[in-house]
Amino acid sequence: QKEVEQNSGPLSVPEGAIASLNCTYSDRVSQSFFWYRQYSGKSPELIMSIYSNGDKEDGRFTAQLNKASQYVSLLIRDSQPSDSATYLCGVYSSASKIIFGSGTRLSIRP
Amino acid sequence: ETGVTQTPRHLVMGMTNKKSLKCEQHLGHNAMYWYKQSAKKPLELMFVYSLEERVENNSVPSRFSPECPNSSHLFLHLHTLQPEDSALYLCASSQDRPGGVMKTQYFGPGTRLLVL
Repeated sequence: QKEVEQNSGPLSVPEGAIASLNCTYSDRVSQSFFWYRQYSGKSPELIMSIYSNGDKEDGRFTAQLNKASQYVSLLIRDSQPSDSATYLCGVYSSASKIIFGSGTRLSIRP
Repeated sequence: ETGVTQTPRHLVMGMTNKKSLKCEQHLGHNAMYWYKQSAKKPLELMFVYSLEERVENNSVPSRFSPECPNSSHLFLHLHTLQPEDSALYLCASSQDRPGGVMKTQYFGPGTRLLVL
């Protein structure tokens, strides 16, 4: 079983709709969770970080964490073409390192 | 601009060459990381320097050698690389506390490496 799993996509969402990106992880003691956006040919950039169960909102982005289910998600409201990118889920494991999923490719269609 | 710089941005080297990648962070962080990103693969953590400890991924070949002279600078020394080592090499930094939850990592722009 992979330590951090994401659906590779591509996930196609119409402009203005809500994009929902999901991530599951295997290390039960993980405490820190991150979502990064990566445009093609560029380095990852932080979108959201979340440490506690529940929702965390920042502008059009909402991160949701459920530690019991070992599940973290990212919702993007009012999706824009500029949101088209690969989204990486990162989980800080008990081995003092961040493990990344393989990323979900998101495509926003006009 | 994240406060993490990397040089060079692009590098082409032969299998017998020796080169070094450099990373510098201007954020006052106490932890620095090297990642490898290959096409269609997850980001792979190679080395961590955090709170004066070094953590390494045991699957990283010895032809990659890190050096962290202080908390602001990180190097990755390369020698006798293979074509499959061609990838984007990313440096990141964070501010860690002993026993605390890990805070956000900030990435540099990366070095695109091609090994011929």
